[in-house]
Amino acid sequence: EAGVTQFPSHSVIEKGQTVTLRCDPISGHDNLYWYRRVMGKEIKFLLHFVKESKQDESGMPNNRFLAERTGGTYSTLKVQPAELEDSGVYFCASRPTGLSYYGYTFGSGTRLTVV
Amino acid sequence: DQQVKQNSPSLSVQEGRISILNCDYTNSMFDYFLWYKKYPAEGPTFLISISSIKDKNEDGRFTVFLNKSAKHLSLHIVPSQPGDSAVYFCAASNAGGTSYGKLTFGQGTILTVHP
Repeated sequence: EAGVTQFPSHSVIEKGQTVTLRCDPISGHDNLYWYRRVMGKEIKFLLHFVKESKQDESGMPNNRFLAERTGGTYSTLKVQPAELEDSGVYFCASRPTGLSYYGYTFGSGTRLTVV
Repeated sequence: DQQVKQNSPSLSVQEGRISILNCDYTNSMFDYFLWYKKYPAEGPTFLISISSIKDKNEDGRFTVFLNKSAKHLSLHIVPSQPGDSAVYFCAASNAGGTSYGKLTFGQGTILTVHP
């Protein structure tokens, strides 16, 4: 079974530019989560999709961040325009349907550097 | 307002000895706790978990202890092996909440096991 796939693995962009991160969850996983780790600090929740619907987007920092999950499959996280403080590692995770943490799997992350 | 804290940024132990990693939380609504292990350039991988109705859960060399009254949990690794060297994250969840599966992480503890 393929794991959670994220790309790109690294991205370096200039302040003011736009970047789009992609996450392919494990096939059949209805739940998809985005997290971010900034500067070696804690991993922070950004948002949660159930299929194509946003269940909880309370962790999104501001309206420069836009997440989508068209068709309930892969998800994208767009940052526009990027700021220096957006630098960090963005993790995606997916989980099967149901009330269980079994199978909750993280991707390897995308390291975003804004210069 | 950080709800999950790992106050030790790093821990160094000798191979074969016990490693004890600590975690404190403030939110009394948390009712499920997990430990993740993370190697460089990889995503967090699930290690062990515990429900708030228990005070101990054991899986091989790994044991998690939960003290609800103190809002404290710890991970014991016995015996420690060099391959255990990684960053360990404590995470908490309100399994009864509206966003099931939303995890709140601590900052992580870097464990180094010396041969």
